[in-house]
Formats: sequence, structure tokens, C-alpha cells
Amino acid sequence: GAVVSQHPSWVICKSGTSVKIECRSLDFQATTMFWYRQFPKQSLMLMATSNEGSKATYEQGVEKDKFLINHASLTLSTLTVTSAHPEDSSFYICSARRTGGLGNTQYFGPGTRLTVL
Amino acid sequence: DAKTTQPNSMESNEEEPVHLPCNHSTISGTDYIHWYRQLPSQGPEYVIHGLTSNVNNRMASLAIAEDRKSSTLILHRATLRDAAVYYCILSRNQGGSEKLVFGKGTKLTVNP
Repeated sequence: GAVVSQHPSWVICKSGTSVKIECRSLDFQATTMFWYRQFPKQSLMLMATSNEGSKATYEQGVEKDKFLINHASLTLSTLTVTSAHPEDSSFYICSARRTGGLGNTQYFGPGTRLTVL
Repeated sequence: DAKTTQPNSMESNEEEPVHLPCNHSTISGTDYIHWYRQLPSQGPEYVIHGLTSNVNNRMASLAIAEDRKSSTLILHRATLRDAAVYYCILSRNQGGSEKLVFGKGTKLTVNP
């Protein structure tokens, strides 16, 4: 299967600081990546769709100025949580879409645990 | 987005087959059926996907009803490592705007 990595795997930061999370597709190029958030005992919630070379598309209720997404290359997308607060503490997961074959398949990264103190 | 309905939880015994059902009565002709599974504190893992025909891979089999309103993920011999939350998701490829919307999934417990 395809490999998607995330860095860091966990981060603890103080309230008011910004945190950047990287998502890389290691063995395929991805024009489209996705960012999800998962709170404890809940399912994944799609935050935004990241398209290489263009602006991200955010889901309803997700603040685009707070969650900055950059997809500057075919293998890297970044999510920056700006001015993080304790309520932003969550498990952030990215996925990369590999095209071709029977439909398109998304492959997920291992996730990044963000704790805001 | 077309919705799916799955049982909240299921139990199985180790080395026995497991059939995980999914209903998707509002599926459209261009919707693909995807299955992912997630272990605690990990990202979802791709399991299998299909459109109309049954599909097999090294992890599982996907049986799709003739009317496509339901499907079943089959794990042929459950192991303890198969214990996870399994998600059945429909995706629609519309000019590259395809996205996956996760429901609550089925929590599979595998007994030794």
C-alpha cells in the first residue's frame, strides 16, 4: 500500500502559539490531500481539501484563518494551527489521494496528537 | 453525500470469518464503496474498495449486492490484530472534488 507520513507525531504547545504539521506522500504524487480532525471517541471530521498549487477548500464551520493549509508540492501539504487554544487539542490526520486504477484511493497518515496547554 | 448505516459493534472469535455489513440505500451509480479500519491513536488504514463487482485483496473481500444498496466486508480468518473500528464510506468522483465522509463505523472485537 501507499505510504503517507506525518510530522510531528505529537506536539505540546502553550496557548497562543502556532503549530505546523507536515503531511507527506512518500511513494506517490498527490495533487489532492485532505486534513481531518478527530476528538476522543468520535469519528474523523473532514476539515479541508488541499489542492496542489491552489487554495484549500474548507468545510463549513472550519476557520480558514485559524487553520492555514499550504500544498506547495505534489508530495507535501502542511497544516498550521495559528494561535492555538486548549479547545484545538485534538488528533489531526491527513490523507493523500492516489489516482488511477479502479477509482481513487485515499491513504492516511498516522496522525498528529496536538495538546495545547 | 450518500450515507451509510453500520452496526455499532460486532464480536468475533479468532480464526473465524467475520462479515461486516453496511447499508447504503441512497447510493448513486457513480459512488464507490470504500472500507477503512482504524486502531486506537492511529490513522485509518485502507482495506478495500469497489464499484459494482465483488473485490478481493490480501486483507479482505468485498461483496456488493446486485442493487448496490448494501455491501459486506469479509475477513476470512479474524486475528486479534483485526480488532478495530471499521468504516464503510461512499465516495463520489465529481471532477476531482471527491471526499470521504466518515460515519461512526463498527467496532469489531475479536475474542481469543
